[in-house]
Amino acid sequence: EPEVTQTPSHQVTQMGQEVILRCVPISNHLYFYWYRQILGQKVEFLVSFYNNEISEKSEIFDDQFSVERPDGSNFTLKIRSTKLEDSAMYFCASSERQIYEQYFGPGTRLTVT
Amino acid sequence: GESVGLHLPTLSVQEGDNSIINCAYSNSASDYFIWYKQESGKGPQFIIDIRSNMDKRQGQRVTVLLNKTVKHLSLQIAATQPGDSAVYFCAERFYNQGGKLIFGQGTELSVKP
Repeated sequence: EPEVTQTPSHQVTQMGQEVILRCVPISNHLYFYWYRQILGQKVEFLVSFYNNEISEKSEIFDDQFSVERPDGSNFTLKIRSTKLEDSAMYFCASSERQIYEQYFGPGTRLTVT
Repeated sequence: GESVGLHLPTLSVQEGDNSIINCAYSNSASDYFIWYKQESGKGPQFIIDIRSNMDKRQGQRVTVLLNKTVKHLSLQIAATQPGDSAVYFCAERFYNQGGKLIFGQGTELSVKP
Protein backbone atom coordinates (compact mmCIF):
# COMPACT_ATOMS: atom_id res chain seq x y z
CA GLU A 1 0.00 0.00 0.00
CA PRO A 2 1.42 3.42 -0.92
CA GLU A 3 2.42 5.60 1.98
CA VAL A 4 3.76 9.03 2.81
CA THR A 5 7.39 8.98 3.89
CA GLN A 6 9.31 11.60 5.84
CA THR A 7 13.00 12.19 6.53
CA PRO A 8 14.73 12.46 8.85
CA SER A 9 12.83 10.71 11.60
CA HIS A 10 14.57 12.86 14.19
CA GLN A 11 16.37 16.17 13.73
CA VAL A 12 18.27 17.97 16.45
CA THR A 13 19.30 21.54 15.75
CA GLN A 14 20.51 24.58 17.61
CA MET A 15 18.34 27.63 18.07
CA GLY A 16 18.73 30.02 15.15
CA GLN A 17 19.69 27.35 12.65
CA GLU A 18 17.77 26.53 9.50
CA VAL A 19 16.17 23.14 9.08
CA ILE A 20 14.53 21.45 6.13
CA LEU A 21 12.08 18.65 6.73
CA ARG A 22 11.41 16.41 3.79
CA CYS A 23 8.37 14.48 2.70
CA VAL A 24 7.56 12.23 -0.21
CA PRO A 25 3.78 12.24 -0.69
CA ILE A 26 1.86 9.43 -2.33
CA SER A 27 2.64 9.58 -6.02
CA ASN A 28 -0.77 10.39 -7.52
CA HIS A 29 -1.73 12.87 -4.82
CA LEU A 30 -2.09 16.54 -5.65
CA TYR A 31 -2.77 18.17 -2.29
CA PHE A 32 -0.10 18.44 0.37
CA TYR A 33 -0.14 19.50 3.98
CA TRP A 34 2.09 20.09 6.96
CA TYR A 35 0.91 19.72 10.54
CA ARG A 36 2.77 19.81 13.81
CA GLN A 37 2.19 18.28 17.22
CA ILE A 38 3.87 19.57 20.33
CA LEU A 39 4.44 16.72 22.79
CA GLY A 40 1.21 15.76 24.53
CA GLN A 41 -0.89 18.22 22.59
CA LYS A 42 -3.23 18.08 19.63
CA VAL A 43 -2.21 18.09 16.02
CA GLU A 44 -2.15 21.62 14.57
CA PHE A 45 -2.52 22.64 10.94
CA LEU A 46 0.35 24.61 9.42
CA VAL A 47 -0.16 24.87 5.68
CA SER A 48 -1.85 23.35 2.66
CA PHE A 49 -0.32 23.37 -0.81
CA TYR A 50 -1.74 22.73 -4.26
CA ASN A 51 -0.58 23.46 -7.77
CA ASN A 52 2.69 24.91 -6.48
CA GLU A 53 0.92 27.44 -4.33
CA ILE A 54 -0.05 27.75 -0.70
CA SER A 55 -3.81 27.29 -0.42
CA GLU A 56 -4.15 28.06 3.24
CA LYS A 57 -1.85 28.71 6.17
CA SER A 58 -2.31 29.07 9.89
CA GLU A 59 -1.10 31.78 12.23
CA ILE A 60 1.76 29.48 13.23
CA PHE A 61 3.07 29.54 9.66
CA ASP A 62 4.83 32.90 9.82
CA ASP A 63 7.66 34.32 7.72
CA GLN A 64 10.11 31.86 9.25
CA PHE A 65 8.34 28.99 7.52
CA SER A 66 8.27 28.12 3.85
CA VAL A 67 7.21 25.15 1.76
CA GLU A 68 8.40 23.96 -1.58
CA ARG A 69 7.88 21.17 -4.05
CA PRO A 70 11.30 21.21 -5.67
CA ASP A 71 10.66 18.28 -7.97
CA GLY A 72 7.90 15.85 -8.83
CA SER A 73 8.22 13.82 -5.68
CA ASN A 74 9.44 15.84 -2.69
CA PHE A 75 7.56 18.32 -0.54
CA THR A 76 9.65 20.25 1.98
CA LEU A 77 9.10 22.44 5.00
CA LYS A 78 11.84 24.93 5.83
CA ILE A 79 12.20 26.77 9.08
CA ARG A 80 14.69 29.60 8.57
CA SER A 81 15.71 30.39 12.11
CA THR A 82 14.50 27.82 14.58
CA LYS A 83 13.24 28.70 18.04
CA LEU A 84 12.94 26.52 21.11
CA GLU A 85 9.16 26.53 20.69
CA ASP A 86 9.49 24.97 17.24
CA SER A 87 10.35 21.69 18.95
CA ALA A 88 7.56 19.34 17.93
CA MET A 89 6.60 16.41 15.76
CA TYR A 90 6.02 17.56 12.19
CA PHE A 91 3.67 15.54 10.02
CA CYS A 92 3.32 15.70 6.28
CA ALA A 93 0.04 14.60 4.70
CA SER A 94 -1.25 14.25 1.17
CA SER A 95 -4.55 13.62 -0.54
CA GLU A 96 -5.58 12.82 -4.07
CA ARG A 97 -8.18 15.54 -4.02
CA GLN A 98 -9.07 18.15 -1.43
CA ILE A 99 -12.25 16.30 -0.51
CA TYR A 100 -10.51 12.97 -0.16
CA GLU A 101 -8.86 11.41 2.87
CA GLN A 102 -5.53 12.84 3.98
CA TYR A 103 -2.79 10.28 4.50
CA PHE A 104 -0.22 11.14 7.12
CA GLY A 105 3.46 10.29 7.21
CA PRO A 106 5.22 8.94 10.30
CA GLY A 107 6.51 12.38 11.26
CA THR A 108 9.84 14.08 11.93
CA ARG A 109 10.66 14.85 15.52
CA LEU A 110 12.37 18.25 15.63
CA THR A 111 14.30 19.12 18.75
CA VAL A 112 15.64 22.65 19.04
CA THR A 113 18.29 23.15 21.72
CA GLY B 1 -15.26 29.74 15.44
CA GLU B 2 -12.94 26.84 14.75
CA SER B 3 -12.97 24.70 17.84
CA VAL B 4 -13.14 20.96 18.13
CA GLY B 5 -12.60 19.44 21.53
CA LEU B 6 -12.82 16.17 23.40
CA HIS B 7 -14.58 15.53 26.69
CA LEU B 8 -12.20 13.06 28.33
CA PRO B 9 -8.43 12.86 28.07
CA THR B 10 -8.18 9.16 29.01
CA LEU B 11 -10.40 6.11 28.75
CA SER B 12 -9.60 2.67 30.11
CA VAL B 13 -11.68 -0.34 29.05
CA GLN B 14 -11.53 -4.09 29.40
CA GLU B 15 -10.72 -6.13 26.35
CA GLY B 16 -13.93 -7.20 24.66
CA ASP B 17 -15.96 -4.28 26.00
CA ASN B 18 -17.31 -1.51 23.81
CA SER B 19 -15.60 1.89 23.90
CA ILE B 20 -17.20 5.26 23.38
CA ILE B 21 -15.10 8.34 22.71
CA ASN B 22 -16.78 11.72 22.60
CA CYS B 23 -16.11 14.98 20.83
CA ALA B 24 -17.75 18.39 20.86
CA TYR B 25 -17.48 21.04 18.19
CA SER B 26 -18.48 24.67 18.23
CA ASN B 27 -18.90 25.65 14.57
CA SER B 28 -22.52 24.97 13.66
CA ALA B 29 -21.63 25.37 9.98
CA SER B 30 -19.24 22.41 10.14
CA ASP B 31 -20.23 19.76 7.65
CA TYR B 32 -17.53 17.11 7.65
CA PHE B 33 -15.89 15.26 10.52
CA ILE B 34 -13.23 12.59 10.72
CA TRP B 35 -11.92 10.31 13.43
CA TYR B 36 -8.21 9.55 13.49
CA LYS B 37 -6.24 7.00 15.49
CA GLN B 38 -2.68 7.78 16.50
CA GLU B 39 -0.45 5.05 17.83
CA SER B 40 2.71 5.89 19.70
CA GLY B 41 5.40 7.23 17.39
CA LYS B 42 3.17 7.25 14.32
CA GLY B 43 1.13 9.72 12.34
CA PRO B 44 -2.66 9.97 12.54
CA GLN B 45 -4.48 7.19 10.74
CA PHE B 46 -7.94 7.67 9.24
CA ILE B 47 -10.65 5.58 10.88
CA ILE B 48 -14.01 6.84 9.69
CA ASP B 49 -15.70 10.01 8.54
CA ILE B 50 -19.20 11.45 8.53
CA ARG B 51 -20.92 14.29 6.75
CA SER B 52 -23.39 16.58 8.43
CA ASN B 53 -26.30 15.20 6.40
CA MET B 54 -25.88 11.91 8.22
CA ASP B 55 -26.53 10.91 11.83
CA LYS B 56 -24.66 7.65 11.84
CA ARG B 57 -22.07 5.81 9.86
CA GLN B 58 -20.68 2.35 10.43
CA GLY B 59 -17.40 0.77 9.56
CA GLN B 60 -15.66 -2.37 10.61
CA ARG B 61 -16.18 -2.50 14.41
CA VAL B 62 -16.52 1.29 14.50
CA THR B 63 -19.55 3.55 14.42
CA VAL B 64 -19.61 7.33 14.38
CA LEU B 65 -22.68 9.18 15.61
CA LEU B 66 -23.34 12.83 14.91
CA ASN B 67 -25.78 14.94 16.89
CA LYS B 68 -26.00 18.31 15.20
CA THR B 69 -28.48 19.66 17.72
CA VAL B 70 -25.91 19.61 20.51
CA LYS B 71 -22.86 19.70 18.20
CA HIS B 72 -21.50 16.41 19.42
CA LEU B 73 -20.04 13.37 17.79
CA SER B 74 -18.89 10.07 19.17
CA LEU B 75 -16.82 7.11 18.08
CA GLN B 76 -17.94 3.70 19.21
CA ILE B 77 -15.55 0.77 19.02
CA ALA B 78 -17.13 -2.64 19.40
CA ALA B 79 -15.33 -5.51 21.13
CA THR B 80 -12.29 -3.39 21.92
CA GLN B 81 -8.97 -5.14 21.40
CA PRO B 82 -5.47 -4.42 22.75
CA GLY B 83 -4.53 -3.19 19.28
CA ASP B 84 -7.09 -0.41 19.66
CA SER B 85 -4.97 1.21 22.37
CA ALA B 86 -4.03 4.61 20.97
CA VAL B 87 -4.95 8.28 21.08
CA TYR B 88 -8.11 9.10 19.17
CA PHE B 89 -8.73 12.51 17.66
CA CYS B 90 -11.80 13.97 16.09
CA ALA B 91 -11.13 16.48 13.35
CA GLU B 92 -13.13 18.89 11.29
CA ARG B 93 -12.25 19.59 7.68
CA PHE B 94 -12.67 22.97 6.04
CA TYR B 95 -13.15 22.62 2.31
CA ASN B 96 -13.10 26.34 1.70
CA GLN B 97 -9.83 26.76 3.58
CA GLY B 98 -7.48 24.59 1.62
CA GLY B 99 -8.89 21.39 3.07
CA LYS B 100 -7.23 21.98 6.42
CA LEU B 101 -8.05 19.73 9.35
CA ILE B 102 -8.71 21.16 12.79
CA PHE B 103 -8.06 18.51 15.40
CA GLY B 104 -9.50 18.10 18.86
CA GLN B 105 -7.40 17.52 21.95
CA GLY B 106 -7.33 13.70 21.81
CA THR B 107 -8.49 10.86 24.05
CA GLU B 108 -6.07 8.15 25.07
CA LEU B 109 -7.73 4.75 24.97
CA SER B 110 -6.14 2.04 27.08
CA VAL B 111 -7.35 -1.53 26.70
CA LYS B 112 -6.77 -3.88 29.62
CA PRO B 113 -6.35 -7.57 28.77
